[in-house]
Amino acid sequence: GNSVTQMEGPVTLSEEAFLTINCTYTATGYPSLFWYVQYPGEGLQLLLKATKADDKGSNKGFEATYRKETTSFHLEKGSVQVSDSAVYFCALMTTDSWGKLQFGAGTQVVVTP
Amino acid sequence: DAGVTQSPTHLIKTRGQQVTLRCSPKSGHDTVSWYQQALGQGPQFIFQYYEEEERQRGNFPDRFSGHQYPNYSSELNVNALLLGDSALYLCASTPRRASPLHFGNGTRLTVT
Repeated sequence: GNSVTQMEGPVTLSEEAFLTINCTYTATGYPSLFWYVQYPGEGLQLLLKATKADDKGSNKGFEATYRKETTSFHLEKGSVQVSDSAVYFCALMTTDSWGKLQFGAGTQVVVTP
Repeated sequence: DAGVTQSPTHLIKTRGQQVTLRCSPKSGHDTVSWYQQALGQGPQFIFQYYEEEERQRGNFPDRFSGHQYPNYSSELNVNALLLGDSALYLCASTPRRASPLHFGNGTRLTVT
């Protein structure tokens, strides 16, 4: 079956540090890949997405590249802010199960001033 | 433009009871999906509705059922509540076969 594996948290960083959250996946076919962010007490917000190999999704300074050869979709940001403190979820969706997202367990990121 | 709205925001029920959670999709969206997010875990897909029918279902027992109304709003019903049903229940909407999913802020269900 399909699955998503993320690095465990919490990840604690100082403001302006570089952030990387690793995500690897297992899926049949060619899934679309997503990063969602969840702030305390809120639902999920789409951060970025990529729908085919070598696509790079980007938003708000975050980037992730769809790497088919390594089945990975690592999230990066060059300089984090305190406001980036949240839980980040990697997810996939396959074409034969449209609308059904398979999520990783989430990675909590804590950015300190 | 209102996004996805869910009600109630919090709910406390006793084991064995039944509960109904409600979701209004974002304007222009006709497809609604429900997810269960246990504490410290990623959301798990429960089921998806469009055209008032259940189209996909995840690995959840029949105690979990749903409904979609002609105005696209949706309900999630859970019967015979168990302690393990305590979770954040998220509703997501989208136009048919288009991404991304837009999520509501969820309903926090506590079963005692």
